[in-house]
This record gives sequence, C-alpha cells and structure tokens, in this order.
Amino acid sequence: QVQLQESGPGLVKPSETLSLTCTVSGGSITNYYWSWIRQPPGKGLEWIGYIYYSGSTNYNPSLKSRVTISVDTSKNQFSLRLSSVTAADTAMYYCARCRDGSTCYYGMDVWGQGTTVTVSS
Amino acid sequence: DIQMTQSPSSLSASVGDRVTITCRATQSISSFLNWYQQTPGKAPKLLIYTASSLQSGVPSRFSGSGSGTDFTLTISSLRPEDFATYYCQQSYSTPWTFGQGTKVEIK
Repeated sequence: QVQLQESGPGLVKPSETLSLTCTVSGGSITNYYWSWIRQPPGKGLEWIGYIYYSGSTNYNPSLKSRVTISVDTSKNQFSLRLSSVTAADTAMYYCARCRDGSTCYYGMDVWGQGTTVTVSS
Repeated sequence: DIQMTQSPSSLSASVGDRVTITCRATQSISSFLNWYQQTPGKAPKLLIYTASSLQSGVPSRFSGSGSGTDFTLTISSLRPEDFATYYCQQSYSTPWTFGQGTKVEIK
C-alpha cells in the first residue's frame, strides 16, 4: 500500500528556510492531491497547503507569503519550503494524501509518520 | 476562515462506554467534515469522511453524523485502543481547518 516518508533537517536557524521532502512509495504520485500539515508541540493540527500532481497549489493564507510546495513526479516526491522561520514554526510536520484522486473533500487517508523540526539558533 | 469548535476538550470514560464528541463550524460546510484519531507519537488516522462515511478498515463502533454546522462522532462501545485524541476537519473550503481536539482518557 501507499506509504509516505518525510525527510529533512531537524534543526533550522531563525530567519532561514525550512525544507522538507515527502517520498511516496508503493504507489504513484500522479492523479492525487498531496498536503502538508503541521502540529506544534502539545497543540492541534494546522493545514499548510496542498499540491496536485500536475503542480497546482493552494496555501493557507496565514503562511502563504512564506510557503512553497513543489512536486517532482519523476522522483515520486513533493516538497515543502517555509522561509523566514521563527520559533513559532517549531512543530511536527506531516505529509498526507487526499483520499480521493480528483478532490480533497473526502479527507486525508495516508499520512507520513511525521518529522520534527525545531527552529533554534 | 471557517472555525471548528469541538466539545468537550477532554473526557474521561471507561471501557464499554458510549462516547459522543461534537464539532461545530462557524458556517455551513454541508457534509464536508472528516474525523481523525491520533494516538501519542503517531500521525492522525482518518476515521470518518464526509460526516458519516466509515473509512476502510475502521471498526464499525465508530460512526459519524450531522450536516450544515453541527456534527458528532460516536464510539458505541469504547475499547482500550480508542483512548486517543480526536480531531474534526472541514474540507468544504480552504484553508482547511481542524477542531482543537478532544482527548479521550481512561476513567
């Protein structure tokens, strides 16, 4: 079955750019929407944005000025870049797949295990 | 943005109890409401999508109902593995938003 694995630095300095990659295995990245979600320590879930395999994106307005999500279908990967990070960006970052190929109305059914990112000098 | 409010924020229950969690949206979201379960140190797991559809592999003791602004997640008979935090999420419009979570603890 489809599995997702996040990868990237666990420590990022303030004002720098956080970069994470989600690798899709056991299935193709094509014909699905893919999301990034984060969860600060001890807090709830925040949707960051999604990308369709074709490259179209939708970002949370609260982060839009700092977020870029991209896709590399040849590698079956999609990526997150978050610029100008502060301590408030310290969180567990998850990648996830929308359940239905043509829409995200039906929730996110496959999640990565998450990767912890700490913003600190 | 559509705000999602869950109640209660936490509850204590015993194995075998019937548990109900509610989720309210600040505007109508039709049936575009999903429920997730998260256990400590794990990623969220999709339980229910579009308010009442059971995700494949999820036990039938979980059920969801509601439409418009008010929704419920019911666990008919709580099992030990159900002690977790539950989140609702609206997928009606972006930015998708989650409730603050309901922690189900052992009484």
